[in-house]
Amino acid sequence: AQKVTQAQTEISVVEKEDVTLDCVYETRDTTYYLFWYKQPPSGELVFLIRRNSFDEQNEISGRYSWNFQKSTSSFNFTITASQVVDSAVYFCALSVQTGANNLFFGTGTRLTVIP
Amino acid sequence: DTGVSQNPRHKITKRGQNVTFRCDPISEHNRLYWYRQTLGQGPEFLTYFQNEAQLEKSRLLSDRFSAERPKGSFSTLEIQRTEQGDSAMYLCASISTGTGSYNEQFFGPGTRLTVL
Repeated sequence: AQKVTQAQTEISVVEKEDVTLDCVYETRDTTYYLFWYKQPPSGELVFLIRRNSFDEQNEISGRYSWNFQKSTSSFNFTITASQVVDSAVYFCALSVQTGANNLFFGTGTRLTVIP
Repeated sequence: DTGVSQNPRHKITKRGQNVTFRCDPISEHNRLYWYRQTLGQGPEFLTYFQNEAQLEKSRLLSDRFSAERPKGSFSTLEIQRTEQGDSAMYLCASISTGTGSYNEQFFGPGTRLTVL
């Protein structure tokens, strides 16, 4: 069975602070994919990143960076110099290559950036 | 490419009524998913279609739920005899599996159902 845990329910930071959102996953499949999605107040899920299980190289995209560590089954997301527009709910998700390839989501972390 | 669209965006109904939602995926996407998201939770998988074939249903999809994708394009999700517990956001996502590589699922804006 697949499972994603986002232990941080809510985080508040002051604008320009850095913030890291944690994600821990469980799967017995050797081939899997990890995702981060952003859900702003409008409700639409916005894709941020996908990593496959064979690529542990960390990635940076502007103010966003991701740290994938198979040894700890974690896929953490860091926002540098946070901005008010970053306020949203962030979901970590997992899919495996077998079956429906559906996404298994965590419960999300609500990030509030205070101006 | 106009993205995934869903209609209606909001639906309020009385308990016991039937409701139907529509999803129009990105045109070249052959796979379509339905998810349900309740307040404070992440989306949960309901069912998916590969072209017009419904290939898997989760245990969340009770007998009151039915989904179709008659021509492999748009899809409908119908809930019969709605219950208050059906109140949720219903999300549709589509993906193209034809390239041989795994791409991200593109989500629509969702239909928010409120059952009174």
